[in-house]
Amino acid sequence: DTAVSQTPKYLVTQMGNDKSIKCEQNLGHDTMYWYKQDSKKFLKIMFSYNNKELIINETVPNRFSPKSPDKAHLNLHINSLELGDSAVYFCASSPPGGLNTEAFFGQGTRLTVV
Amino acid sequence: GNSVTQMEGPVTLSEEAFLTINCTYTATGYPSLFWYVQYPGEGLQLLLKATKADDKGSNKGFEATYRKETTSFHLEKGSVQVSDSAVYFCALLYNQGGKLIFGQGTELSVKP
Repeated sequence: DTAVSQTPKYLVTQMGNDKSIKCEQNLGHDTMYWYKQDSKKFLKIMFSYNNKELIINETVPNRFSPKSPDKAHLNLHINSLELGDSAVYFCASSPPGGLNTEAFFGQGTRLTVV
Repeated sequence: GNSVTQMEGPVTLSEEAFLTINCTYTATGYPSLFWYVQYPGEGLQLLLKATKADDKGSNKGFEATYRKETTSFHLEKGSVQVSDSAVYFCALLYNQGGKLIFGQGTELSVKP
């Protein structure tokens, strides 16, 4: 069973389009995250949700909107895609002990904007 | 601010060589420190961690010791294998409800 699953794994789209990436975790964790990994492998947090509530919102353009319908899901919607949005996006979750225990990552979604 | 700096990659080693990947950090207070590994085409996995000064984290032959005096958490392995080829990320967590701050990652390639 996949612990943290993201769909799609690959996404190629044109500039200006709107797209969504879905994330689901079956670990019973309360906290979920979105990270962006750029072409140099640098990872940076974008958002964090705890029990469907937003707790971390880094300096991310308003075109990015996370949505958490329940604590097992954290989807990422991106409006008006730009070339610079091309990256690998990772969803993650952590148990009640928080990140001091472990963060579990999905396999990533490689977004390519052309 | 809080940050993590890792040695630049890629690092290329022969099988059974000794590995060191340097990691230093800047943080207020007493962060927890982690090493995550990303195998090709996969997400990150926790490799080891240390939550206080002088703690040593270890897993799969890898070790790292939390050195507060040098603000370092260098990753070591005595004898690497081809299967260790991956990208290694050092990270810190400076409060429980906070966020992991990652270094830039170090790509390791082990040749037979």
